[in-house]
Amino acid sequence: DGGITQSPKYLFRKEGQNVTLSCEQNLNHDAMYWYRQDPGQGLRLIYYSQIVNDFQKGDIAEGYSVSREKKESFPLTVTSAQKNPTAFYLCASSVGGDTQYFGPGTRLTVL
Amino acid sequence: AQKVTQAQTEISVVEKEDVTLDCVYETRDTTYYLFWYKQPPSGELVFLIRRNSFDEQNEISGRYSWNFQKSTSSFNFTITASQVVDSAVYFCALSFVMDTGRRALTFGSGTRLQVQP
Repeated sequence: DGGITQSPKYLFRKEGQNVTLSCEQNLNHDAMYWYRQDPGQGLRLIYYSQIVNDFQKGDIAEGYSVSREKKESFPLTVTSAQKNPTAFYLCASSVGGDTQYFGPGTRLTVL
Repeated sequence: AQKVTQAQTEISVVEKEDVTLDCVYETRDTTYYLFWYKQPPSGELVFLIRRNSFDEQNEISGRYSWNFQKSTSSFNFTITASQVVDSAVYFCALSFVMDTGRRALTFGSGTRLQVQP
């Protein structure tokens, strides 16, 4: 089945640690996205990538980093510079800028 | 600037009632797309519909229907004969062109729908 997978489902981070969230898709989509969702709020764009080896900052990129070495993979690293990382993180993909399809999400909690 | 407003934070209905979720948008683009997504308790966003700015025809899919009116910049979503399984957070989103020339989505803050049995 084609789709988007994210791992882990739950992630706990200690203060000062970097953590990496995985996002993989087998839909053959060119574009991939990372969003952050806080309780009771909509989604905010962190980073996006239209092609391999290219990515752009979204609205709230500070404290995050990404890579796009393969078409099917777009990992997100939450660095220690992100002061309030506790949130729900969603990865999405699309054909160009068309309809975005989402993965199941990763819930990150800072201890 | 691009903006999506979902003024209804939470709606509670009893099963079999009809319910309408409101969405108002702002954009300076002449070509844009509007979307509705459903987020059940599991968290994954499920795509429901995409509507092109040039197509103002209403759309019906089973118990779901959408009313797009450019004159009022609204894209409302109606669920007929609601069911408990419709309980979720529903997001309206607008596709717009960024400075990079690429399209991105901006989301409303969502409407939580609770359908009581």
